[in-house]
Amino acid sequence: GAGVSQTPSNKVTEKGKYVELRCDPISGHTALYWYRQSLGQGPEFLIYFQGTGAADDSGLPNDRFFAVRPEGSVSTLKIQRTERGDSAVYLCASSLTRFNEQYFGPGTRLTVT
Amino acid sequence: AQSVSQHNHHVILSEAASLELGCNYSYGGTVNLFWYVQYPGQHLQLLLKYFSGDPLVKGIKGFEAEFIKSKFSFNLRKPSVQWSDTAEYFCAVNAHSGAGSYQLTFGKGTKLSVIP
Repeated sequence: GAGVSQTPSNKVTEKGKYVELRCDPISGHTALYWYRQSLGQGPEFLIYFQGTGAADDSGLPNDRFFAVRPEGSVSTLKIQRTERGDSAVYLCASSLTRFNEQYFGPGTRLTVT
Repeated sequence: AQSVSQHNHHVILSEAASLELGCNYSYGGTVNLFWYVQYPGQHLQLLLKYFSGDPLVKGIKGFEAEFIKSKFSFNLRKPSVQWSDTAEYFCAVNAHSGAGSYQLTFGKGTKLSVIP
């Protein structure tokens, strides 16, 4: 079956701009997660959705970062006033429930110039 | 808070050599443990997982891992590697239950290069 998909695969933006990153989870998965992976590091947790609600956004680095999942399926990660330090690969994952293993998408490589 | 240590940053092996990648975690409670693999140009894929039961778990492509609770370890093994095993390997852990249990904490990864 189809896995987790993410668009765009690459995004280059100028410092100060706004960006949106999209995630399509595996059909039927109720739990959705965003992680961020910097060069030479493992993925780091950003936010977890159970259904439509953000159950835990404790990993978001600051209030420039926001994510939504309005219909309990597709999610969008939004970054305002981007900074060069935001450059990383943003990964989305989904799982059947919060108690199951997580499946990752291919990621969006964000470069802020 | 949980943490995961992967001891080797880069491992280079010849084909048919045996592999063992170390993973240690720090957490006071019951955990779920995972190994993910990222082949060149591909996304993270689940290699194997441990939730409970037999501490020796078998995954895809001939990989296995052993959970040793007393050592807080979950080392990945393969008796004979192939060139196609060249990839980056990530160990990850989350709490078995309770608040924040869904959060995966990853190690920094180990790059494996297999020389034909």
